[in-house]
Amino acid sequence: GQQVMQIPQYQHVQEGEDFTTYCNSSTTLSNIQWYKQRPGGHPVFLIQLVKSGEVKKQKRLTFQFGEAKKNSSLHITATQTTDVGTYFCAGRGSGGSNYKLTFGKGTLLTVNP
Amino acid sequence: GAGVSQSPSNKVTEKGKDVELRCDPISGHTALYWYRQSLGQGLEFLIYFQGNSAPDKSGLPSDRFSAERTGGSVSTLTIQRTQQEDSAVYLCASSHDRGYGYTFGSGTRLTVV
Repeated sequence: GQQVMQIPQYQHVQEGEDFTTYCNSSTTLSNIQWYKQRPGGHPVFLIQLVKSGEVKKQKRLTFQFGEAKKNSSLHITATQTTDVGTYFCAGRGSGGSNYKLTFGKGTLLTVNP
Repeated sequence: GAGVSQSPSNKVTEKGKDVELRCDPISGHTALYWYRQSLGQGLEFLIYFQGNSAPDKSGLPSDRFSAERTGGSVSTLTIQRTQQEDSAVYLCASSHDRGYGYTFGSGTRLTVV
């Protein structure tokens, strides 16, 4: 079945440093989504990428979808303490079961003020 | 409603008892999903409902788990003869259609003692 791997599992940074998390799928994806889960909270939808090579920005967050639509990344510039949380990627397959998201295990980001 | 509502927020049950978890999706959202999240882990897909179509039950871990969605709205996840390994946060999500981002509820934290 489809697998989505995410690295690193944990990342600790000083406030102001940059942060990147990477997501790789075992199969070609129709689209990929990113979610943020604050400690004690539930996942919150951030963005969806659909096109090969797509790049989208949300303030300090930059999301990329690979040319082969099998990998993606989330980059945060100049982290702040409000960025703390677990970032999940979730891929949707390109076959008949393209309604179901397969989540990566997430990257837990902690920020030292 | 404004968001996805889940109840109860916390449930402690004795091993062997049955439990019912409820999810009220966002009005008008045709797709509804149940996921399970164990401590510090990713999201494990359980079941998916889309409109009047037959649900995708492929993620249910055993025949002790079942779910229904009445009238295309409220959903109930039932776990029979609970085991300690069932302890987790059960998250419900809905989306406008199967190609859109998910809106998650706050989850039900289930503890089996």
